[in-house]
Amino acid sequence: QMQLQESGPGLVKPSETASLTCTVSGASISGSYWSWIRQPPGKGLQWIGYIYYDTGYTNYHPSLKSRVTISVGSSKNQISLRLTSVTAADTAIYYCARGTISSPATFGSWGQGTQVTVSS
Amino acid sequence: EIPLTQSPGTLSLSPGERATLSCRASQIISSSFLAWYQQKPGQAPRLLIYDASSRASGIPDRFSGSGSGTDFTLTISRLEPEDFAVYYCQHSETFGQGTTVDIK
Repeated sequence: QMQLQESGPGLVKPSETASLTCTVSGASISGSYWSWIRQPPGKGLQWIGYIYYDTGYTNYHPSLKSRVTISVGSSKNQISLRLTSVTAADTAIYYCARGTISSPATFGSWGQGTQVTVSS
Repeated sequence: EIPLTQSPGTLSLSPGERATLSCRASQIISSSFLAWYQQKPGQAPRLLIYDASSRASGIPDRFSGSGSGTDFTLTISRLEPEDFAVYYCQHSETFGQGTTVDIK
């Protein structure tokens, strides 16, 4: 059974870069779209962007495009997220999720999420 | 980006009752990418419905989705205790703000 596990620094200082990793196990990472989605405390969901593993094609939310990079991780079963120039508004739980066969932006499988807090 | 508005914000019902949740888009959208998710406290969201009306794997048949154009509905025919949660609709890069279904 496929599992997604997010990991990250937990605490990031304002203006710095948050780097997160999603590790995929139990299934092939190729042939799928992989998204990052976040949820500020007590609020709703915001899609950040996705990558198609096989080609590296990416698509980002317009409001975050200038600060976000999603890439294939250093290990073959990982997806990475970099978010630059963070502020308190970036404090959230960050989830990785896999797109379905029919739609890159329909999220059939999710990780449990990792908390990122931006604070000095 | 096409905003999605969910209503009501909160739905207070009793187990066994029928729940009807609405998701309205600001312009006509394709049903092909309209999805519904359930989220319980401390958990990741779970896909319930995709392509507006198709149930995801393992989802009970008391959950159903319908709609087209700008108006979409998630119906839970008879609420079970485990169904009290927050529900989000989503289309492409946009999520609705969520509807909380809580116990009356």
